[in-house]
Amino acid sequence: QKEVEQNSGPLSVPEGAIASLNCTYSDRGSQSFFWYRQYSGKSPELIMSIYSNGDKEDGRFTAQLNKASQYVSLLIRDSQPSDSATYLCAVRRGGNSWGKLQFGAGTQVVVTP
Amino acid sequence: GAVVSQHPSRVICKSGTSVKIECRSLDFQATTMFWYRQFPKQSLMLMATSNEGSKATYEQGVEKDKFLINHASLTLSTLTVTSAHPEDSSFYICSARGSAGGPHEQYFGPGTRLTVT
Repeated sequence: QKEVEQNSGPLSVPEGAIASLNCTYSDRGSQSFFWYRQYSGKSPELIMSIYSNGDKEDGRFTAQLNKASQYVSLLIRDSQPSDSATYLCAVRRGGNSWGKLQFGAGTQVVVTP
Repeated sequence: GAVVSQHPSRVICKSGTSVKIECRSLDFQATTMFWYRQFPKQSLMLMATSNEGSKATYEQGVEKDKFLINHASLTLSTLTVTSAHPEDSSFYICSARGSAGGPHEQYFGPGTRLTVT
């Protein structure tokens, strides 16, 4: 079992619709959760971080965390063609300054005009 | 804020030569820096982790004598690919973690595309 799992996609979303991305993780000790966006040929860009259960909103993005279910999701509202990218879910155990991120393989999102 | 730079952005070198890549955190102190490699259409692969002033910790299968990492200060880390071969051609990305945003947030540099001929 992979430590962090995501559907690879592609997830095709009409412009203006909501894109819903899911991520599950296996390590119950995980305490820090992140979503990165990576455009083709570019490096990852941090778009959301979440540390406690519930929802966290930032602009058109909402991250949702449920530690009991070991599940973290990302919603992109009013999707735009510029949102077309690969979205990486990353998870880390907290409390350890050497702790490294465990990445999912990423979900490719394609927003169609 | 939270800007990480890398230099060079692109480099072509001949087989057998060495290449140094610099990674700098521009507006925060990076207590920990990471080096990743990514091949086309594949996931990020962590190569090593380093804390300022300490030796890097390499991931299994990564040759520490081939990929030399120096984390000389809280804003600078370097990766030197020694005796490069064509199979070392890849996208190398550094990442830094400090107190720029939240205490656990990690930011990536723009990457260096290495081509070994």
